[in-house]
Amino acid sequence: TQLLEQSPQFLSIQEGENLTVYCNSSSVFSSLQWYRQEPGEGPVLLVTVVTGGEVKKLKRLTFQFGDARKDSSLHITAAQPGDTGLYLCAGELMDSSYKLIFGSGTRLLVRP
Amino acid sequence: ETGVTQTPRHLVMGMTNKKSLKCEQHLGHNAMYWYKQSAKKPLELMFVYNFKEQTENNSVPSRFSPECPNSSHLFLHLHTLQPEDSALYLCASSQDVGATNEKLFFGSGTQLSVL
Repeated sequence: TQLLEQSPQFLSIQEGENLTVYCNSSSVFSSLQWYRQEPGEGPVLLVTVVTGGEVKKLKRLTFQFGDARKDSSLHITAAQPGDTGLYLCAGELMDSSYKLIFGSGTRLLVRP
Repeated sequence: ETGVTQTPRHLVMGMTNKKSLKCEQHLGHNAMYWYKQSAKKPLELMFVYNFKEQTENNSVPSRFSPECPNSSHLFLHLHTLQPEDSALYLCASSQDVGATNEKLFFGSGTQLSVL
């Protein structure tokens, strides 16, 4: 059983469309990070959310941390081919282990 | 460029070979990590080093042997691997281990195929 479930697993959309990907858990996290991994590269950190209900924006990307700190979403407005990649969420457990638990990712393809 | 360099980028090895993966970070970080990334599975933490001392071994088989001679360099020695060990091996670094909101900086990974 995965601690962090990401959905959908795969998403193929046309350039200009909007999309939302989700990261859900039954566990509470002290913080949650989103990474993007492009083909042939390692993950790159996009954002960290810490406070329940927090919303952060990074250009066309909007990240939200659930009020109960168990889930998060990433919304992309007017997707572009450069947004193509694997989006990973990673939560920091509140058990003081400071371990990052990764989801299995959402693979996004934005077609020109 | 993330400041974390991994070599080689690709490696094909037989089950009886011995090979090593190398990672170097130029960020002045104190902590370094090895992760395994398999298709459709979450990143699996393998080893953690803090100030070149191993602080975590996540029940990794002994055919994987890490080495951290200093805070900037990390190796993963491979011996008698199995085909199911084929995966992308990612090295990462962070300023410290155990701090909240720790940010990981990843290398590009070594794509390993075991025949």
